[in-house]
Amino acid sequence: QVTLRESGPALVKPTQTLTLTCTFSGFSLSTNGMCVSWVRQPPGKALEWLALIDWDDDKYYVTSLKTRLTISKDTSKNQVVLTMSNMDPVDTATYYCARTVGADYFFDYWGQGTLVTVSS
Amino acid sequence: DIVMAQSPDSLAVSLGERATINCKSSQSVLYSSNNKNYLAWYQQRPGQPPKLLIYWASTRESGVPDRFSGSGSGTDFTLTISSLQAEDVAVYYCQQYYSTPSFGPGTKVDIK
Repeated sequence: QVTLRESGPALVKPTQTLTLTCTFSGFSLSTNGMCVSWVRQPPGKALEWLALIDWDDDKYYVTSLKTRLTISKDTSKNQVVLTMSNMDPVDTATYYCARTVGADYFFDYWGQGTLVTVSS
Repeated sequence: DIVMAQSPDSLAVSLGERATINCKSSQSVLYSSNNKNYLAWYQQRPGQPPKLLIYWASTRESGVPDRFSGSGSGTDFTLTISSLQAEDVAVYYCQQYYSTPSFGPGTKVDIK
């Protein structure tokens, strides 16, 4: 059974760096074809894909946020970490992690999401 | 980057009636070497994460009711709910994966 769970702070201050962790089970990121992405959703707004890391440690980022994002993995812990620097109130959103299989980047399993509010 | 558009923004349909949602990509998502459209559809019910409904534009995910169907090719795609049920009230998103992923703005479906 595949599960993903996001964790991290519920509140961050402007200019701070956000660190989120996705802990998953039911698959391994060392398996050929496995990938994990981060997707966010501001309240009442649409989904926005942020970053992806694959089994081979290749990393991809949304162009508009590339300079602020870093994605990494710890295969032994079944975790993927996303950091986003210089947080702003417009970054307030629910952040999801999601799995893709193979180089076809549609998302078959999602976590429940974690709401991050950026406020002083 | 490929930009996705959806129409309408929202629609209200009577129970048992058909709902049709359109999705348009700013460039073709049809990969000529395998003749596949790199387009997926998701359903997001209130307070829930998105759920994969359809991929490759028309392949239903396991467990998805057959009242959901996807069609289209190139830049123009459609999600059809053939007979709307109460549990189908949700926001529906299209997503391309021809290049780095991007989602449409969503279409909200309600009961009339």
